[in-house]
Amino acid sequence: NAGVTQTPKFQVLKTGQSMTLQCAQDMNHNSMYWYRQDPGMGLRLIYYSASEGTTDKGEVPNGYNVSRLNKREFSLRLESAAPSQTSVYFCASSEWDRGNYGYTFGSGTRLTVV
Amino acid sequence: GQQLNQSPQSMFIQEGEDVSMNCTSSSIFNTWLWYKQDPGEGPVLLIALYKAGELTSNGRLTAQFGITRKDSFLNISASIPSDVGIYFCAGYSNSGYALNFGKGTSLLVTP
Repeated sequence: NAGVTQTPKFQVLKTGQSMTLQCAQDMNHNSMYWYRQDPGMGLRLIYYSASEGTTDKGEVPNGYNVSRLNKREFSLRLESAAPSQTSVYFCASSEWDRGNYGYTFGSGTRLTVV
Repeated sequence: GQQLNQSPQSMFIQEGEDVSMNCTSSSIFNTWLWYKQDPGEGPVLLIALYKAGELTSNGRLTAQFGITRKDSFLNISASIPSDVGIYFCAGYSNSGYALNFGKGTSLLVTP
């Protein structure tokens, strides 16, 4: 059972380039989330999807877009990467739409924008 | 999201010592969770708390859901080198949708 799988694990982009971070879960969870982690800032929510077909902004959505492709997959897109988007990105999923059972996280994508 | 204040920011201890960290919120939370993040990995759930006053253990780890519902504590007894990592508190309130995370406590354990 793989849990939450994120690709790629590492990526270097030039300022202005675009890319999509992929996330897939095999636990049949309804809800999925994208967080970014920066030193001293903890985990900040970018976007979430309560269920297939719905997406909502989190705390730091500017510069990002998301797509809930199906129940398993939730992608994060950077249309025009900026150095401020250098971070570690985590995808997570949860059983309940209110996350009472906690989240299962992927192992992260380490993104550097130069 | 709701602001969670987690302390201490970092701890540097010797193997065998006990560790205590806490998390506070200005709002009432109805769920408290504690996660551990190993270097290069995503956070992994350690303990979940769902009722005020609840005290739950997981091996050498014990966590409590504060009576006021605005705080939570995590204790690690007899620390070992593999306890090294970042510990995050997280909570869910009725006014929000997704989990709110503290900024983490970085734990270093020397043999």
